[in-house]
Amino acid sequence: AQKVTQAQTEISVVEKEDVTLDCVYETRDTTYYLFWYKQPPSGELVFLIRRNSFDEQNEISGRYSWNFQKSTSSFNFTITASQVVDSAVYFCALSPSGGSNYKLTFGKGTLLTVNP
Amino acid sequence: DTGVSQDPRHKITKRGQNVTFRCDPISEHNRLYWYRQTLGQGPEFLTYFQNEAQLEKSRLLSDRFSAERPKGSFSTLEIQRTEQGDSAMYLCASSLAALAGTTYNEQFFGPGTRLTVL
Repeated sequence: AQKVTQAQTEISVVEKEDVTLDCVYETRDTTYYLFWYKQPPSGELVFLIRRNSFDEQNEISGRYSWNFQKSTSSFNFTITASQVVDSAVYFCALSPSGGSNYKLTFGKGTLLTVNP
Repeated sequence: DTGVSQDPRHKITKRGQNVTFRCDPISEHNRLYWYRQTLGQGPEFLTYFQNEAQLEKSRLLSDRFSAERPKGSFSTLEIQRTEQGDSAMYLCASSLAALAGTTYNEQFFGPGTRLTVL
C-alpha cells in the first residue's frame, strides 16, 4: 500500500518569507514517482513537479525548489521569497512506476497562506 | 481553452436524486481519470479509462456510481440515489498513455464539480 503524509495542515507566512512544505511517503515499490500539485481557491489542481525515485538530484525552478531524500522517504518543497499568489493548498502525491503508474495517491494537503 | 473542462461546476441535489457530471478531456489524451476530493482531504482515485475501455475501478466506487466514456472522448459520471456522504468535489483528469520506452505522462486536472447533497 502507498501512503503520503503531509504533517503540516496549515502554514501562514508573511510575504517574502521562505517556506518549506514537508512530505513523507511510504511505498513497497522499488521504483516510483513523486509529485507536487498546487490547488488554488479556484479548485483546479496544477501540476508543479514530478521526480523519479532513482533520481535524487534536487531541483530548483525559479522560486521553487525540491529536496528529495530517499533515505528518509521525504520529498520537501520550498518556496523562496513567498508571494501572496502562492496562497493555495499544496498536495504531495505518489504513484508506482510501471503498469499502475496512473494511480496517484495524494496526501491531505497543506494550506499555505501568504499574507501581505 | 484547451484544458480539461467539467460541467456543471456546482450541483446541489436532494438525497435520493440521481446526478450526472460530464468531463471533456484534452482532445488528444486517450486516458481519462475520475477522482473524489472531500473537504480537507487529498483527491482519491475512483476510476480510469483508456479510450472507451474502463480499465480499473476503485473500491470507493460503489454500485450507485457508474462512469462511461462511450466514444473515447468525453466521460460521464452518474451517481444514483445520492447520499449525504457523496458530497464532495469530483475531479476529472486526462493524460496520454505512456508509450513503450517512455516513463510517464502527467495528468492534467479539470476545475472539478462540487456536489452538495442535502
